[in-house]
Amino acid sequence: DTGVSQDPRHKITKRGQNVTFRCDPISEHNRLYWYRQTLGQGPEFLTYFQNEAQLEKSRLLSDRFSAERPKGSFSTLEIQRTEQGDSAMYLCASSLVGPFEQYFGPGTRLTVT
Amino acid sequence: AQRVTQPEKLLSVFKGAPVELKCNYSYSGSPELFWYVQYSRQRLQLLLRHISRESIKGFTADLNKGETSFHLKKPFAQEEDSAMYYCALSGQDFWGTGANSKLTFGKGITLSVRP
Repeated sequence: DTGVSQDPRHKITKRGQNVTFRCDPISEHNRLYWYRQTLGQGPEFLTYFQNEAQLEKSRLLSDRFSAERPKGSFSTLEIQRTEQGDSAMYLCASSLVGPFEQYFGPGTRLTVT
Repeated sequence: AQRVTQPEKLLSVFKGAPVELKCNYSYSGSPELFWYVQYSRQRLQLLLRHISRESIKGFTADLNKGETSFHLKKPFAQEEDSAMYYCALSGQDFWGTGANSKLTFGKGITLSVRP
């Protein structure tokens, strides 16, 4: 297992377009988290899943954002009608349920032009 | 609301010098505190957490609830310590830890260790 993977690593899109990112967690990790990181800031929590259930969403996650984890394995994060303010690094992390650390993926860098 | 403050953006020291990266937090309950590190071109990774009370790569951090601080220290910096360091906080969960909860990060500090 090579760890948490994310695809694509980079995405450039025009304002108003929809984009979708994928995260593959470490095998058997029940929990999956999404964070967003803008320049000069630390990662900010967006949402997390336990298996296929979305347990918490940040108020940062506007109605243009939707995340799914349909089979409790990989997850997708979709942004509709992208805005320039959505430009950021989108990080995924996974963990086992319990007192276990979160392992982060390499991130997907989104640039909205 | 939970908040993590890292007051400095950059710390530059010479090899062998002591290092202290500051972190203050605000949280109404029982927090768990973490330090994450990101080396150049690598992903974010956990360095240490306060409940473990471990020393990792020579780094230690003590939770001071009175001062609401969790400063990261190393007595003798090495060039390979150069990286971005983030302090993070979560609330304690069912297991008495915060590892499985959402993390609130500070803005991070760049540590540069010169030869």
